Amino acid sequence: QKEVEQNSGPLSVPEGAIASLNCTYSDRGSQSFFWYRQYSGKSPELIMFIYSNGDKEDGRFTAQLNKASQYVSLLIRDSQPSDSATYLCAASGGSYIPTFGRGTSLIVHP
Amino acid sequence: ETGVTQTPRHLVMGMTNKKSLKCEQHLGHNAMYWYKQSAKKPLELMFVYNFKEQTENNSVPSRFSPECPNSSHLFLHLHTLQPEDSALYLCASSQESEGQIYGYTFGSGTRLTVV
Repeated sequence: QKEVEQNSGPLSVPEGAIASLNCTYSDRGSQSFFWYRQYSGKSPELIMFIYSNGDKEDGRFTAQLNKASQYVSLLIRDSQPSDSATYLCAASGGSYIPTFGRGTSLIVHP
Repeated sequence: ETGVTQTPRHLVMGMTNKKSLKCEQHLGHNAMYWYKQSAKKPLELMFVYNFKEQTENNSVPSRFSPECPNSSHLFLHLHTLQPEDSALYLCASSQESEGQIYGYTFGSGTRLTVV
């Protein structure tokens, strides 16, 4: 059974700090990885996707992928209170349908 | 209208009612999905339509019935639901090419309460 594991949190960081969100996946055939942000009462929004080992940067966000360790992370630099949300990790492999984790709640306090 | 539009935003229905959720995507995507989101649980895939054909039915009870009349519209027909069906129902679309997608665009969701 394909699983994506995330610490539910909450992860609490001060404003301006780096928030590090982690995700592991069980399916070694997974090829595509996604991070979604979901504000309370809202629907998920895609913020990053990564396919290759290494880092991918987009503004304050960096996704890191290590296929050997089956590990994906999302770093948020200069965290802002507006980054407070639940972050969902998803992985897809042979079937393009992704498997989602439960999400990690992030709280950025002023 | 842009993106993925879902209606209604909120729905309260009795266990004997029949209602439908509607989803429309304006992105030209070729795949549409229904997901269920319950508290403290991962997103649960319910149905997938690719090029208007249902390609997955994830062991969903028959009281949920999908319909995809064209590549832009998706419905979820509900009847004789149970209180445990109360959840956020999300529609999503994506562009699938050679077995690869580049992420979902989600609608705003329907918050369903079964009483």
